[in-house]
Amino acid sequence: DADVTQTPRNRITKTGKRIMLECSQTKGHDRMYWYRQDPGLGLRLIYYSFDVKDINKGEISDGYSVSRQAQAKFSLSLESAIPNQTALYFCATSSSGLSYEQYFGPGTRLTVT
Amino acid sequence: QKEVEQNSGPLSVPEGAIASLNCTYSDRGSQSFFWYRQYSGKSPELIMFIYSNGDKEDGRFTAQLNKASQYVSLLIRDSQPSDSATYLCAVNLWGNNRLAFGKGNQVVVIP
Repeated sequence: DADVTQTPRNRITKTGKRIMLECSQTKGHDRMYWYRQDPGLGLRLIYYSFDVKDINKGEISDGYSVSRQAQAKFSLSLESAIPNQTALYFCATSSSGLSYEQYFGPGTRLTVT
Repeated sequence: QKEVEQNSGPLSVPEGAIASLNCTYSDRGSQSFFWYRQYSGKSPELIMFIYSNGDKEDGRFTAQLNKASQYVSLLIRDSQPSDSATYLCAVNLWGNNRLAFGKGNQVVVIP
């Protein structure tokens, strides 16, 4: 089984709808991250969490919110989806040590029409 | 100045040749450096990490780090068609506990 899973893998939704993307991990890592990837723009950090009670904004948090329900679960919500939120979304995890390497989930392809 | 820069355009190499990728970074306090491989439509996969100046070899991959010049390189020896992918450089930001990613370099290995 994959260490980091994301659901759904693909989603098409309409402008104005609320949508939640979910991430679960079995790696036992404390730190979890949400990124979006757009062609030509690379990976951009949306939110990150170092433990259940620690949530931090990344470089592009506007229009997004997150919830860390447990050490293993980190959800990303789009409160009112808009077309420019169409992107590939990745969840990642890392341990709390000094190594910093991150491990990515398979991604969710989101299309907002 | 961008935190991590990968300026080279797509790199085409013949099968069996060496592919060389470069990355520069702006934070002199960075201590950890990573290379990820990403196939089209897939997630980034960690292939190398390096913490100390010099070279680190793992199979056909070699990472090279020069902290004084603030660059990190990735060499892929004996390139195979399966190496065709985008390679992302990532650097930890001192005091931020997060990674900064470059935009990536596409490598195409021609059989």
